[in-house]
Amino acid sequence: ETGVTQTPRHLVMGMTNKKSLKCEQHLGHNAMYWYKQSAKKPLELMFVYNFKEQTENNSVPSRFSPECPNSSHLFLHLHTLQPEDSALYLCASSQDDRNTGELFFGEGSRLTVL
Amino acid sequence: GENVEQHPSTLSVQEGDSAVIKCTYSDSASNYFPWYKQELGKGPQLIIDIRSNVGEKKDQRIAVTLNKTAKHFSLHITETQPEDSAVYFCAAYVQNFVFGPGTRLSVLP
Repeated sequence: ETGVTQTPRHLVMGMTNKKSLKCEQHLGHNAMYWYKQSAKKPLELMFVYNFKEQTENNSVPSRFSPECPNSSHLFLHLHTLQPEDSALYLCASSQDDRNTGELFFGEGSRLTVL
Repeated sequence: GENVEQHPSTLSVQEGDSAVIKCTYSDSASNYFPWYKQELGKGPQLIIDIRSNVGEKKDQRIAVTLNKTAKHFSLHITETQPEDSAVYFCAAYVQNFVFGPGTRLSVLP
């Protein structure tokens, strides 16, 4: 148990569906992250939020829409995805986005786009 | 931007042997180098880290070395055990974390 909880753990969706991934951290951290993990590729940073404000958008397509209502919760809204978006989506948190301290990862949401 | 390379991509060792994974980075401004272990079905978990003002750090069977001049750092696992089998990622931090592509370590009993 890392203190970062992701739901759902598995999601299958069609290209026209709209779904959301949820992340919650119980560590009192102020920064939260979305990473994409595809087979045989490095972890790709997607978004960073610090104190609820987005501080990084790593050229992510607009079919991925993040939302951070407070420092403990982070969502990734998905719509009109492509099969190549199938991957493991990892949420992480850290004390803040300027601190070179530890990233705490959730167990990920495995997304399959049909 | 920063680029992190990692070798080998797969590594098999006999139980009790040592394992070494090497990473190189491109941005000399990177100042923090963590190593993460990812077991099947789980998210990555920090196992050891090193900062740019230190050359070596050890924690029981795990050690990390950093050569700032050559811009490379390595993970050393001694007396490997089956539970060490996992994917290991190195990372470098300058403004954000940049991860290497990972090494799948298999420890054979």
